Amino acid sequence: SQTIHQWPATLVQPVGSPLSLECTVEGTSNPNLYWYRQAAGRGLQLLFYSVGIGQISSEVPQNLSASRPQDRQFILSSKKLLLSDSGFYLCAWSVSVGTEAFFGQGTRLTVV
Amino acid sequence: DQQVKQNSPSLSVQEGRISILNCDYTNSMFDYFLWYKKYPAEGPTFLISISSIKDKNEDGRFTVFLNKSAKHLSLHIVPSQPGDSAVYFCAASDVSGTYKYIFGTGTRLKVLA
Repeated sequence: SQTIHQWPATLVQPVGSPLSLECTVEGTSNPNLYWYRQAAGRGLQLLFYSVGIGQISSEVPQNLSASRPQDRQFILSSKKLLLSDSGFYLCAWSVSVGTEAFFGQGTRLTVV
Repeated sequence: DQQVKQNSPSLSVQEGRISILNCDYTNSMFDYFLWYKKYPAEGPTFLISISSIKDKNEDGRFTVFLNKSAKHLSLHIVPSQPGDSAVYFCAASDVSGTYKYIFGTGTRLKVLA
């Protein structure tokens, strides 16, 4: 069966520090991969998605970036965090369009 | 521009009664719709989906209705249980276009015992 791992679960980082969140999927090949963010009291905002290794589409211009160095690995990064980057970050995967997406457990990021 | 809207931020329902959660969308290219349930500090869990070729899909206590002409979908939960208390998100995608899932802002459902 397929599983998705996302870590860390919680993270407190100072303003201006770098960020690296990692997500891996097991049990499937060539998944579509997604990064979403849920800000306090808001919905799920799509940040990045990837349909293959090295293929990244950005939805929201900001100081975050994403990379897909391996088929089932998706990384969210920042060189310098802002206070506004605080939120709940979720990684997700899907087999193809027209099917459901499955989410990881999320990372609570607090920038102080 | 919010392409998927859930205009009711919260809903309270008595245990055993029906819960109806609503969702509207603006993009006529959307042709696949999903509902997710989310508990605090956890990732959303997939509940049920519907393709635009259907107007109803049922799975146990959960039924999703799609009205394409009105660009509206709804999730019915019957009977509602206290464990159903969570935030519910609807999502939409364009199967023939991009690979994106666009989510609404969520509705917090509280089922009262």
